[in-house]
Amino acid sequence: AQSVSQHNHHVILSEAASLELGCNYSYGGTVNLFWYVQYPGQHLQLLLKYFSGDPLVKGIKGFEAEFIKSKFSFNLRKPSVQWSDTAEYFCAVPVPSYNTDKLIFGTGTRLQVFP
Amino acid sequence: GAGVSQSPSNKVTEKGKDVELRCDPISGHTALYWYRQRLGQGLEFLIYFQGNSAPDKSGLPSDRFSAERTGESVSTLTIQRTQQEDSAVYLCATTPGGGADTQYFGPGTRLTVL
Repeated sequence: AQSVSQHNHHVILSEAASLELGCNYSYGGTVNLFWYVQYPGQHLQLLLKYFSGDPLVKGIKGFEAEFIKSKFSFNLRKPSVQWSDTAEYFCAVPVPSYNTDKLIFGTGTRLQVFP
Repeated sequence: GAGVSQSPSNKVTEKGKDVELRCDPISGHTALYWYRQRLGQGLEFLIYFQGNSAPDKSGLPSDRFSAERTGESVSTLTIQRTQQEDSAVYLCATTPGGGADTQYFGPGTRLTVL
């Protein structure tokens, strides 16, 4: 079965530290990839997405992610985190359903940033 | 409001009772998903509606779970004979079209089964 793996379950950083969250997927077909974020007390929202073209994708709030097809990876990065980046981060990939695609999410990574 | 709304926001019920959760999609969004998020875990896909096509029910954990949606309107998720392991946040998300579209999430319904 198709799956999405996030190996970092809980990450704790100080402000200004660099961040990289891992995401690996098993589906080998045409790939679209997403990162969603859930800030404390808020809805899940899109952080960034890759559909095609440049494998380095820029998102909101200084986040970026790199699609490496050979490694089935789409890791999320930010050079210098802020306290306001404290949130839960989910990687997701569409996989074929009966008549279209459905989105499969990883288990999430909880990021805590301390001032 | 322009976003996805869900009701109730919180539901506490006794084991064995039935519950019904509601999702109001963004107008014009043809696709609607239900997810379950247990404490400390990721989003678990439950069911997916796309327009008038047959829903993808492959994520429903048991026959106690069912969901309905008429066309592109409101969806309800029903859990019969609730069990304590059903306690979770149930999230609804909609997209303008197919699965590769950005998903817009509602605030969720927190279900607690005593």
